[in-house]
Amino acid sequence: ILNVEQSPQSLHVQEGDSTNFTCSFPSSNFYALHWYRWETAKSPEALFVMTLNGDEKKKGRISATLNTKEGYSYLYIKGSQPEDSATYLCASTPNNAGNMLTFGGGTRLMVKP
Amino acid sequence: GAVVSQHPSWVICKSGTSVKIECRSLDFQATTMFWYRQFPKQSLMLMATSNEGSKATYEQGVEKDKFLINHASLTLSTLTVTSAHPEDSSFYICSAPLIRNTIYFGEGSWLTVV
Repeated sequence: ILNVEQSPQSLHVQEGDSTNFTCSFPSSNFYALHWYRWETAKSPEALFVMTLNGDEKKKGRISATLNTKEGYSYLYIKGSQPEDSATYLCASTPNNAGNMLTFGGGTRLMVKP
Repeated sequence: GAVVSQHPSWVICKSGTSVKIECRSLDFQATTMFWYRQFPKQSLMLMATSNEGSKATYEQGVEKDKFLINHASLTLSTLTVTSAHPEDSSFYICSAPLIRNTIYFGEGSWLTVV
């Protein structure tokens, strides 16, 4: 994998459903994987930064896992709420890139009441 | 409140004119800031790294004479799109790292060149 890729591009779920998205990234020379939540007209909000293979992080109903050997991360949302509607971005940082981020295309989540 | 502030949020300019976008870190100093742009249905792409006290570093394919970056102080970086053309119409967003792996973004700026 040469680029950061996210799937699906968009997702419509009902309130209360649990959902998950995938982020694939280059596993060679990996340093960190970032997840951001981005609402329209607002700044992207940092959710998680993960660096170690097997990392799992949780913030309320949202959690994420990291597999650096195969180059993927999953973001899970349990019991989706309308306020979870946003675009979820993942970005990777190679080991020699400081704070430069390579972004995926994002997953746009829409939660229907 | 926003940790990084970007201004303006929206700007429309005439073809051939220049437009400046500001990125400010409000409550911390940033020796480095980053400028990204996003074309429709594409990912955010890094344009350049803004360095306080030295020249910006541009990514391949980004014209440094067209996209002038000035990191005037430890809290301010500006991106000036010179002689703008309709193909420069895009979404531009800046980021500033507080420490490594703690990166804050501005709200972004929509540029439309008519």
